[in-house]
Amino acid sequence: EPEVTQTPSHQVTQMGQEVILRCVPISNHLYFYWYRQILGQKVEFLVSFYNNEISEKSEIFDDQFSVERPDGSNFTLKIRSTKLEDSAMYFCASSGTHTRRTGELFFGEGSRLTVL
Amino acid sequence: KQEVTQIPAALSVPEGENLVLNCSFTDSAIYNLQWFRQDPGKGLTSLLLIQSSQREQTSGRLNASLDKSSGRSTLYIAASQPGDSATYLCAGPDSNYQLIWGAGTKLIIKP
Repeated sequence: EPEVTQTPSHQVTQMGQEVILRCVPISNHLYFYWYRQILGQKVEFLVSFYNNEISEKSEIFDDQFSVERPDGSNFTLKIRSTKLEDSAMYFCASSGTHTRRTGELFFGEGSRLTVL
Repeated sequence: KQEVTQIPAALSVPEGENLVLNCSFTDSAIYNLQWFRQDPGKGLTSLLLIQSSQREQTSGRLNASLDKSSGRSTLYIAASQPGDSATYLCAGPDSNYQLIWGAGTKLIIKP
């Protein structure tokens, strides 16, 4: 069964460092998303990506964050100059269509980021 | 602004019981609602997606309903098993198509 895969599963970094989280969405999907979940809190939307550009982003997704689809399979989230409060589980998701329509989202196992 | 609430926050029941998990949302113009399962430290597994035009979806022992007029969705689990123990999350898109999530119900099924 097709699945969304994420790497790394866990990354520990020092405050101020840059991290890149990687995702391989389901191959025929068109829409890609990043969500995050701070420990003990709700899942939060970060950004959606379609046709090689950002379609929506939340207030959380400021200039510190960027996304890229560098090739036909990978979808990356870059966090520049990490802060302690960036520590969270980051989830990648993909869907065949937009959530507005039929949009069932399929999520990866997540990348746990710990900023020290 | 869409808000999603799940009650109770935690639920513990003996194995074999049928149970209902609740999800409330404030914007009745919701396009769809999705139920997920999350095991500790793990990812989000999609269980059921209900479109706004539907009232129910079933998958095995799971049945999810959607009542837009009352702003409620329920997830019914029949004949619960210890393997059903997990946190169950509901989420629906807001007007900007961003998924808004409930805080989840932590379910424990006692053998």
